[in-house]
Amino acid sequence: ETGVTQTPRHLVMGMTNKKSLKCEQHLGHNAMYWYKQSAKKPLELMFVYSLEERVENNSVPSRFSPECPNSSHLFLHLHTLQPEDSALYLCASSQAGGGQPQHFGDGTRLSIL
Amino acid sequence: QKEVEQNSGPLSVPEGAIASLNCTYSDRGSQSFFWYRQYSGKSPELIMFIYSNGDKEDGRFTAQLNKASQYVSLLIRDSQPSDSATYLCAVNVGLSNDYKLSFGAGTTVTVRA
Repeated sequence: ETGVTQTPRHLVMGMTNKKSLKCEQHLGHNAMYWYKQSAKKPLELMFVYSLEERVENNSVPSRFSPECPNSSHLFLHLHTLQPEDSALYLCASSQAGGGQPQHFGDGTRLSIL
Repeated sequence: QKEVEQNSGPLSVPEGAIASLNCTYSDRGSQSFFWYRQYSGKSPELIMFIYSNGDKEDGRFTAQLNKASQYVSLLIRDSQPSDSATYLCAVNVGLSNDYKLSFGAGTTVTVRA
């Protein structure tokens, strides 16, 4: 496997379900990111982990809970989501430090019923 | 004021022509600038990054940066139908917030065969 891999690619869940998104990077990077992309809106940064420490939390509702067990893996735990949370969730990775290029996974298309 | 602004398009160019995309940003402290290409239903793909004033060329792509005027542009020479995509401008928001990239809403480019 190369690059940034996200699973699942598609997820449909009810508002009361609990699910997790997974991201794995094989680029030797040490910073990882979660973004949300909704139709016709810019990419929104949700969380940043650098060297396995969370360094950014952009006022994201608590129904989204990130986890970074090591520099290669990142999870986004989901519970009690709302219909407006339906979007493309993208994981990215980079070298830690200012201004490094970020490389994206293919994303998880999430639909909330 | 939005942190990063792009014309949404669509920008329609004939095959073989030059496509010119512009991006302005609001944070004078920004140091790193990126262009991503996103095909419909796919994730963003990094195509160029630039850190210094002036031009940077990579194949058919040229990025131009003018920090005094706070704009960055992307030129696509000899445009091909495969260049039809949405192009996202991303800007590192200042040295004090190294990890944050702010994205524009994207410019949709259509290359007519």
